[in-house]
Amino acid sequence: DAMVIQNPRYQVTQFGKPVTLSCSQTLNHNVMYWYQQKSSQAPKLLFHYYDKDFNNEADTPDNFQSRRPNTSFCFLDIRSPGLGDAAMYLCATSRGGSGSYEQYFGPGTRLTVT
Amino acid sequence: DQQVKQNSPSLSVQEGRISILNCDYTNSMFDYFLWYKKYPAEGPTFLISISSIKDKNEDGRFTVFLNKSAKHLSLHIVPSQPGDSAVYFCAAIERLFSSGSARQLTFGSGTQLTVLP
Repeated sequence: DAMVIQNPRYQVTQFGKPVTLSCSQTLNHNVMYWYQQKSSQAPKLLFHYYDKDFNNEADTPDNFQSRRPNTSFCFLDIRSPGLGDAAMYLCATSRGGSGSYEQYFGPGTRLTVT
Repeated sequence: DQQVKQNSPSLSVQEGRISILNCDYTNSMFDYFLWYKKYPAEGPTFLISISSIKDKNEDGRFTVFLNKSAKHLSLHIVPSQPGDSAVYFCAAIERLFSSGSARQLTFGSGTQLTVLP
């Protein structure tokens, strides 16, 4: 089945210790997104890639970086996690192009910062 | 400033009855709307969508209604089933990124639906 996969599902890191979350997709979609979702809040877009073109949201902290080495994979790097970065991180994909606006989400990675 | 609002954080409905989830928006540039369902510890799952040129879209037990003049949309689930118990997010699309046609979703804060057996 075509899908969006996120690893790991649960990640614990120490305050200030760099951490990388990964996302892969078998949908062959052009666009990959990273969202942050805190409890009882709406998902918040951090950035997205349209193919290799990176688009950062204006209010995304510099502490958050992303890499997309190929169509299938996208990584979220948190350089120095703070306690406030504990959240669910969601990866999503969409086909791109006009008329195809649905985004398909992975199961998420729950990040805990100790 | 919340551009997409789901004013009911929770809703309980008896099995077999209709569930109606509401969503309001303020940005008149939104032109495409989506509903997602989310179970605990899982990512949101796309449910149904509607373009602003329509006022109704139906898919099985799920129907979305759009009232552009009121900037309001609703999701109807009939009949409701216990497996429908989840958080439902309304989302809207407006901005066209300069890099192409990727569009940002603006989410509401969600409504927890509980369907009682």
